[in-house]
Amino acid sequence: DVVMTQSPLSLSVTLGQSASFSCRSSQSLVHSNGNTYLSWYQQRPGQSPRRLIYKVSSRDSGVPDRFSGSGSGTDFTLKISRVEAEDVGVYYCMQGTDWPLFTFGGGTKVEIK
Amino acid sequence: QVHLVESGGDLVKPGGSLRLSCAASGFSFSDYLMSWIRQAPGKGLEYISYISESGSSIWYADSVKGRFTISRDNARNSLYFQMSGLGVEDSAVYYCATVRSSSIGYWGQGTLVTVSS
Repeated sequence: DVVMTQSPLSLSVTLGQSASFSCRSSQSLVHSNGNTYLSWYQQRPGQSPRRLIYKVSSRDSGVPDRFSGSGSGTDFTLKISRVEAEDVGVYYCMQGTDWPLFTFGGGTKVEIK
Repeated sequence: QVHLVESGGDLVKPGGSLRLSCAASGFSFSDYLMSWIRQAPGKGLEYISYISESGSSIWYADSVKGRFTISRDNARNSLYFQMSGLGVEDSAVYYCATVRSSSIGYWGQGTLVTVSS
């Protein structure tokens, strides 16, 4: 199975500042079709997760452009610029390249300082 | 607007059985591969099963294989998860979800399964 490792485990951010966190996979996420199936999810306290980003950098409809995804191969980053109070929660990355063995990272918890 | 509403979660004794349901609306259910994902209390996410659009292709994680059965009824826009031989390690919130572009597109609000004596 592809192991997804996220860091840091938690992050305390000042409102209006940027935050970025890492997701690493144990093997390349480049699919034989050339796509890289790495997605990011936000889980606010008490809510179910929602997808923010798919295929590394494609933002879902309705997701603020403060959220951006980047990376390639085995190293990926989610960046939140100008953090707002509603961004508090846990962020998970997930690989979908090794179908059907989707695997999630352990999550990064974002708090406001 | 897409809605996925899970139901059927409950407190059950070890070794017991439970059937989860997921009612879908707001999209063409029969066009989507569907999945179950679970999250143990205070823990991360575990992808445990999928069923293809027609139901012809099914997959289970090793952690549930042989004990859980996924099914769907496209005429009723519904997804099901029959769980048997439940253990305390199966205690979790269970989410039904759509799969598109090799990622999880939409999630339900989840239903809580607690296995305890």
